[in-house]
Amino acid sequence: KAGVTQTPRYLIKTRGQQVTLSCSPISGHRSVSWYQQTPGQGLQFLFEYFSETQRNKGNFPGRFSGRQFSNSRSEMNVSTLELGDSALYLCASSTDPGYTEAFFGQGTRLTVV
Amino acid sequence: QKEVEQDPGPLSVPEGAIVSLNCTYSNSAFQYFMWYRQYSRKGPELLMYTYSSGNKEDGRFTAQVDKSSKYISLFIRDSQPSDSATYLCAMSTGNQFYFGTGTSLTVIP
Repeated sequence: KAGVTQTPRYLIKTRGQQVTLSCSPISGHRSVSWYQQTPGQGLQFLFEYFSETQRNKGNFPGRFSGRQFSNSRSEMNVSTLELGDSALYLCASSTDPGYTEAFFGQGTRLTVV
Repeated sequence: QKEVEQDPGPLSVPEGAIVSLNCTYSNSAFQYFMWYRQYSRKGPELLMYTYSSGNKEDGRFTAQVDKSSKYISLFIRDSQPSDSATYLCAMSTGNQFYFGTGTSLTVIP
């Protein structure tokens, strides 16, 4: 059974640009969550989608947005990139939004220069 | 006060030692408890999952939950150099996950 797939694995962007990250959940999983991981802050919750609807949103500015498609694949977008957005962005999938178990992808490492 | 508190370490132990990793929490609504292992530059890997107080064992790993004390632990027996990683505790109310900041563990051969 394939795991959670995130693309791309690595990205380098310039301040002010925008970026789109992709996440394909485990087959049959309909809930996708996004997290930002930095050495100082740990895992910070961005948002969660279930059946194409955003259920929860963390405390991030509006520059961070996401969506989910009918096949449960999800994308997150960050506009007007700032240096502080450099982080590992992780996607986690679970069967439902009950948050009983979540399986993570390998992450996308974003560097903003 | 953070929802979940975890000592960041770093923790360094000799090979074969018993390792104890701990998290405390403040929200009594947490029902589900998980431990993740994260190797450098990789995503977190689910190690253990439990939804009740008590112990759950899986090979060299034992997860312990004490809801009355709001305290969870992960024990690693006969630790190996391959156990060197960051260990994250996670908890859920059933509506959202809350993660600890992680404990960095190094097992010295």
